[in-house]
Amino acid sequence: ETGVTQSPTHLIKTRGQQVTLRCSSQSGHNTVSWYQQALGQGPQFIFQYYREEENGRGNFPPRFSGLQFPNYSSELNVNALELDDSALYLCASSLPSGNYNEQFFGPGTRLTVL
Amino acid sequence: AQSVTQLGSHVSVSEGALVLLRCNYSSSVPPYLFWYVQYPNQGLQLLLKYTSAATLVKGINGFEAEFKKSETSFHLTKPSAHMSDAAEYFCAVTPGGDSSYKLIFGSGTRLLVRP
Repeated sequence: ETGVTQSPTHLIKTRGQQVTLRCSSQSGHNTVSWYQQALGQGPQFIFQYYREEENGRGNFPPRFSGLQFPNYSSELNVNALELDDSALYLCASSLPSGNYNEQFFGPGTRLTVL
Repeated sequence: AQSVTQLGSHVSVSEGALVLLRCNYSSSVPPYLFWYVQYPNQGLQLLLKYTSAATLVKGINGFEAEFKKSETSFHLTKPSAHMSDAAEYFCAVTPGGDSSYKLIFGSGTRLLVRP
């Protein structure tokens, strides 16, 4: 069974640029969630995708957007990068199961914005 | 609004000593609660979860946690710390209801294990 994978591992961008991060969900999982983890903090929920549709969003501006593909893989896109976007971005996959939401996390992409 | 508070950003114990990491939650509906561990430069690994079954939950690596509704707590314990337990630990809650899709995390507790 293949776990959650993310690419790239590390990324350096400059302010104002755009970035795309990628995630492959664990085999059999059709739900993908994205989290932002700033240095020294807990992960913050960005949004979730289920069957290629956004299924909930946290308190992040519209320049954070996403996609989910028919194979359940997902992308996180961030436009007009700001210095505060520097963080570890975590992808998690799960099965939709009502109120019980066990999520399996990937290793993350470390984004640095200069 | 749902929230999670982890008391103590850093906890230091000696190898072989009891580990106690504190977590208190706020939720207007019966929550589902989780503890995750994060090793340096890695993602999050689930240690254990509470899903309204037994209040004492056993997880991996000898960790366990007890759900106490009256205290709104879900503290993580391990009887004897090992050097390999040194990591960052996060408590998280799934609010349930319409927001059941997201995890709300605490700010984390870094566990240091002294030889």
